[in-house]
Amino acid sequence: GQQLNQSPQSMFIQEGEDVSMNCTSSSIFNTWLWYKQDPGEGPVLLIALYKAGELTSNGRLTAQFGITRKDSFLNISASIPSDVGIYFCAGRQGGSEKLVFGKGTKLTVNP
Amino acid sequence: KAGVTQTPRYLIKTRGQQVTLSCSPISGHRSVSWYQQTPGQGLQFLFEYFSETQRNKGNFPGRFSGRQFSNSRSEMNVSTLELGDSALYLCASSSSVSYGYTFGSGTRLTVV
Repeated sequence: GQQLNQSPQSMFIQEGEDVSMNCTSSSIFNTWLWYKQDPGEGPVLLIALYKAGELTSNGRLTAQFGITRKDSFLNISASIPSDVGIYFCAGRQGGSEKLVFGKGTKLTVNP
Repeated sequence: KAGVTQTPRYLIKTRGQQVTLSCSPISGHRSVSWYQQTPGQGLQFLFEYFSETQRNKGNFPGRFSGRQFSNSRSEMNVSTLELGDSALYLCASSSSVSYGYTFGSGTRLTVV
């Protein structure tokens, strides 16, 4: 099925460092969503983006909806141990309720 | 406000059997979607229901089916289980696509 290209696949960082991950697609999306998933749990919505060029923050998290509508990035500033998990981007195209997901970025934070 | 509730959390079935998974959405949410998550394929869309009608369907065989009740609760059924159906099945509900989807904790299905 259709998927978004999410990178990097994994990241190993030190506590306090900033993190950046992104998603790209060959198709246009009307909505971009960023989720975090902990082991054994469902994804939790972090940030939702609805307009091209939109920049939205949620605490230490900042995400942007690419101007071409084909990409989005997520930044985490001053990482802490509880940021550990898998981060997924998801996009929704017009006229459909279906979300297309990236394969995830696994984040490890060393104290 | 209670979240999305999925039951059961874990399930072990034998190849060839069928299984029914349940999802109770957040109160007031009328849209319910189902996703399959596997290490190899990631999160794949199964189908979406709104007001008891299936509005969207993913690329899964007819063995995968679902329904939604008048109280918005939803069930999905998988018949003639195959080993490859082993996965985490996630349900998500939404009151509006503009607000993203809230996921449940999932049902871990193992087919042996």
